[in-house]
Amino acid sequence: EDKVVQSPLSLVVHEGDTVTLNCSYEVTNFRSLLWYKQEKKAPTFLFMLTSSGIEKKSGRLSSILDKKELFSILNITATQTGDSAIYLCAVEPYSGNTPLVFGKGTRLSVIA
Amino acid sequence: GAGVSQSPSNKVTEKGKDVELRCDPISGHTALYWYRQSLGQGLEFLIYFQGNSAPDKSGLPSDRFSAERTGGSVSTLTIQRTQQEDSAVYLCASSLGRDREGQPQHFGDGTRLSIL
Repeated sequence: EDKVVQSPLSLVVHEGDTVTLNCSYEVTNFRSLLWYKQEKKAPTFLFMLTSSGIEKKSGRLSSILDKKELFSILNITATQTGDSAIYLCAVEPYSGNTPLVFGKGTRLSVIA
Repeated sequence: GAGVSQSPSNKVTEKGKDVELRCDPISGHTALYWYRQSLGQGLEFLIYFQGNSAPDKSGLPSDRFSAERTGGSVSTLTIQRTQQEDSAVYLCASSLGRDREGQPQHFGDGTRLSIL
């Protein structure tokens, strides 16, 4: 069964800290791994990763995938209170009944 | 609008009633997905439409759940004889197509369903 495990489940940091969120997965016929940020409502797309070792970067956020060890990390540097959200990791298989398999998310709280 | 639109944003109903949730995908997106998010849980896949093909219903939790997509655009998720365990946020997403490489799903704001 395809599965995604995120850690930690929750995290509290101070503004300015750097955080690393983890996502490990087991999936048949891996196609891509995606990160989403969910504040109050819609999960918003952050990154899609398909190749190992290639860092994707957007401002203070970056992510990398390791297809050999089956995990990805999401880094946020110089955190701000606006980074407070649930960060969701999902894996997309090429085939099978579920288009995206989600982890339970990491709830990040950034305090001033 | 530019994004995925869902309505209503909130729905409160009594146990045993039927409810209909609506999703209007991003224009031009051929794939449409429904998920359910319960408190403290990840997103649970429900059903997926690709163009005019018959939907993959394998994720629907019971036969009280059904969905249709008219004209390859707007979709309606129907829950019959609602139960308290159906209380959740129902999220809709769309993409350019599962057969297209590198196309992420984009989500609507969801419908928060509360069954009394």
